Amino acid sequence: EVQLVQSGAEVKKPGESLRISCKGAGFPFTTYWINWVRQVPGRGLEWMGRIDPTDSYTNYSPSFEGHVSISTDKSIGTAYLQWSSLKASDTAVYYCARQGYDSSIGYYYYGMDVWGQGTTVTVSS
Amino acid sequence: QSALTQPASVSGSPGQSITISCTGTTSDVGGYNYVSWYQQHPGKVPRLLIYDVTYRPSGVPDRFSGSKSGNTASLTISGLQAEDEADYYCSSYTSSRTQVFGGGTKLTVL
Repeated sequence: EVQLVQSGAEVKKPGESLRISCKGAGFPFTTYWINWVRQVPGRGLEWMGRIDPTDSYTNYSPSFEGHVSISTDKSIGTAYLQWSSLKASDTAVYYCARQGYDSSIGYYYYGMDVWGQGTTVTVSS
Repeated sequence: QSALTQPASVSGSPGQSITISCTGTTSDVGGYNYVSWYQQHPGKVPRLLIYDVTYRPSGVPDRFSGSKSGNTASLTISGLQAEDEADYYCSSYTSSRTQVFGGGTKLTVL
């Protein structure tokens, strides 16, 4: 089964660091970009950035660049989202999502077709 | 980059059709045929409904369709069903090689 499995919920204090993970299964991990999406409770989806596991090339939304870091360990098929200093405003659910692929024509597209189950991050003093 | 503009809410009765709009700029929606739509039920993971403006992934009913005119993309749901009640988000590729979501639209099935 094609799936993305994310790490469990985290409770942290402001100023602490954190890394959450997203492990791919059932597909060749290095051939798909992995995106990260934030959802603050009661709010909408926000695209944070994406990584190409082949060469670790990353793109970030201007809203998140400099505050988070996206990386990957392709040897274990896992992507990461990392903070060096959390803020209370980072409290949210974080999803990883795979770049879409139409297998009938061998075409990668910008939509996100497979999503992780989400990781809840709570930052509170 | 600013979020794409969607109506906060739409509603319709079972069997009817509704359309959700998604307005951007020439730097995103209007500049590329890379608009996607997602459905999210409360407490659930988003689900891809439409990619590249008009294409449905395998398993998505053909009641869901997408279109675009200028800087505005649209999602139409025909033959509304109770289970369609959810939040809907559009997304577009941008000239900065990033992606941006709309603010989301809550669909109520009356």
